[in-house]
Amino acid sequence: EVQLVQSGAEVRRPGEPLKISCEGSGYNFTNYWIAWVRQMPGKGLEWVGIIYPGDSESKFNPAFQDQVAFSADRSSNTAFLQWSSLKVSDTAMYFCARRDFRDAFDVWGHGTMVTVSS
Amino acid sequence: SYELTQPPSVSVSPGQTAKITCSGDALSNQYAYWYQQKPGQAPVLVIYQDTKRPSGISERFSGSSSGTTVTLTISGVQAEDEGDFYCQSVDSSGIYRMFGGGTKLTVL
Repeated sequence: EVQLVQSGAEVRRPGEPLKISCEGSGYNFTNYWIAWVRQMPGKGLEWVGIIYPGDSESKFNPAFQDQVAFSADRSSNTAFLQWSSLKVSDTAMYFCARRDFRDAFDVWGHGTMVTVSS
Repeated sequence: SYELTQPPSVSVSPGQTAKITCSGDALSNQYAYWYQQKPGQAPVLVIYQDTKRPSGISERFSGSSSGTTVTLTISGVQAEDEGDFYCQSVDSSGIYRMFGGGTKLTVL
């Protein structure tokens, strides 16, 4: 079964760093782009950006450029989304999703809830 | 900036047909994708490349495209179809993806 399993919910203070993960299984992880999608409480979906685990090439929504970083570990089939200094406005659910050869986001993780509060 | 515009809400009675539109300039030459999200769950792909249905998705879901507008049609709406629907496409560069604002489907 193809699936993406994300790390658990996180609670942090403003200014703290954070790294969340998305582990793929059931397919060749390095051959598919992994997208990150933000959903703020009660709001719609926002495309944060995308990473290709094969070579870690990344593309960012300009609104998130310089706010987050992507990385990938091919040995553990895991993609990561990280912040160096969180803000209260980063509070949201973050989904990872696989982009398939139809250019569709065909498989989604269950989401990681990030809460930033003082 | 490139935007996709959806109506905030659509309401239909059970058994009727629901139509959800998505408008944006780049839709004239870029594919659209549709996702359904139920409360507390991750989105699910229901239509890809404007009109195609993934395996496992009910035949009641269909997509169409005309000019700069794409439409998701749900025939014979059932209570289980309630949720938020998002269109998604790519800008003219082919790099940046974006989502519409989402449409809440209510089954009366």
